Amino acid sequence: EVHLVESGGGLVQPGGSLRLSCAASGFAFSSYWMTWVRQAPGKGLEWVGNINKDGSDTYFVDAVKGRFTISRDNAKTSMYLQMNSLRAEDTAVYYCARDVRYFDSWGQGTLVTVFS
Amino acid sequence: DIVMTQTPLSLSVTPGQPASISCKSSQSLLDSDGGTYLYWFLQKPGQPPQVLIYEVSNRFSGVPERFSGSGSGTDFTLRISRVEAEDVGVYYCMQSIQHPKTFGQGTKLEIK
Repeated sequence: EVHLVESGGGLVQPGGSLRLSCAASGFAFSSYWMTWVRQAPGKGLEWVGNINKDGSDTYFVDAVKGRFTISRDNAKTSMYLQMNSLRAEDTAVYYCARDVRYFDSWGQGTLVTVFS
Repeated sequence: DIVMTQTPLSLSVTPGQPASISCKSSQSLLDSDGGTYLYWFLQKPGQPPQVLIYEVSNRFSGVPERFSGSGSGTDFTLRISRVEAEDVGVYYCMQSIQHPKTFGQGTKLEIK
């Protein structure tokens, strides 16, 4: 069974940084793209970015380009979202998901709150 | 970026009655490889989203037969033949023909 667990969320001030982790199990992690999706409180879903199987390529939504990076460690079956220069509008629940062109398995999410 | 527009944004349905949600994309989702990359998700209260339909009309594993998807090009529809209480939540369409992947605004379905 596919299992995804996000961690690393919390409170951070504007301009600060945070690193989210996504621990994966139950599937051949290195064979799949992975994705981050976020959801601001009471709002809809926003795709943040994804990473290819070996970590050599990433894509991002314009709102986070230059501030967020995605990496992965296939040996540890984990993906990471490094978030820098955080803004109030980055406040959201961040989900990791397996990316098979769509998102067939999701974690429960981790809440990031950017406050001053 | 491709804009996904859903209508209606909210829906109140009596159990046993049908429901329909429209999703329109600002560009065709038909790829040169012949695939049409339109998906439907349901986010039940307090849960992460779950996929219902992939590539327009294919039900994901375990999704009840009362859910169906149709459409082509830029116009797509999700139909529920007979709504049940467990169908409450927010429905999203999403395109993945190009980056960035984009979602519709969501359609909230409630039971009368």
